[in-house]
Amino acid sequence: ETGVTQTPRHLVMGMTNKKSLKCEQHLGHNAMYWYKQSAKKPLELMFVYSLEERVENNSVPSRFSPECPNSSHLFLHLHTLQPEDSALYLCASSLILLRESNEKLFFGSGTQLSVL
Amino acid sequence: QKEVEQNSGPLSVPEGAIASLNCTYSDRGSQSFFWYRQYSGKSPELIMSIYSNGDKEDGRFTAQLNKASQYVSLLIRDSQPSDSATYLCAVGNYQLIWGAGTKLIIKP
Repeated sequence: ETGVTQTPRHLVMGMTNKKSLKCEQHLGHNAMYWYKQSAKKPLELMFVYSLEERVENNSVPSRFSPECPNSSHLFLHLHTLQPEDSALYLCASSLILLRESNEKLFFGSGTQLSVL
Repeated sequence: QKEVEQNSGPLSVPEGAIASLNCTYSDRGSQSFFWYRQYSGKSPELIMSIYSNGDKEDGRFTAQLNKASQYVSLLIRDSQPSDSATYLCAVGNYQLIWGAGTKLIIKP
């Protein structure tokens, strides 16, 4: 158990559905991240939050919408996704922002998303 | 474009042997280097971090860093079937750049 909890573990959705992924960290960290992992590709950083403020948005399509209501919780709202969005979505946290120090990341268990 | 390169494998190693995993990176300013292990269907977990040239040992794992040659490696001694996983190299210079991972298979 890493101290970062993600739900749901698996999600199947149609292209017209709206769903949300949830992440909660119990580590007292100040930075939280969403990553996308596709088969045989490097992890892709999607969004970065520091103390509930979005600090980075790496050219992610608007059909992905993040929300960070407090420093312990992070959501990823999904709507009108495409089949190519099928991937493992990972939430991670670090004590402070990676760009401010060379911190380690702690990952949640991920949500395996399939878009039909 | 900052890149981290890893051989995708699979790398097949007999049980009890030494597994050697390699990673090269392009950003000479990189300051932190991490090895994460990822079992199939699971999330990455940190197993080693190294910040200065040389070797760092932790149990059966040794990380080796050579900044002049821009590579970092991970040695796993006395390999066990439970070491079978994908190993991700991540290189940091205030942002993390990830390799695509090397799949390691330990054969009993």
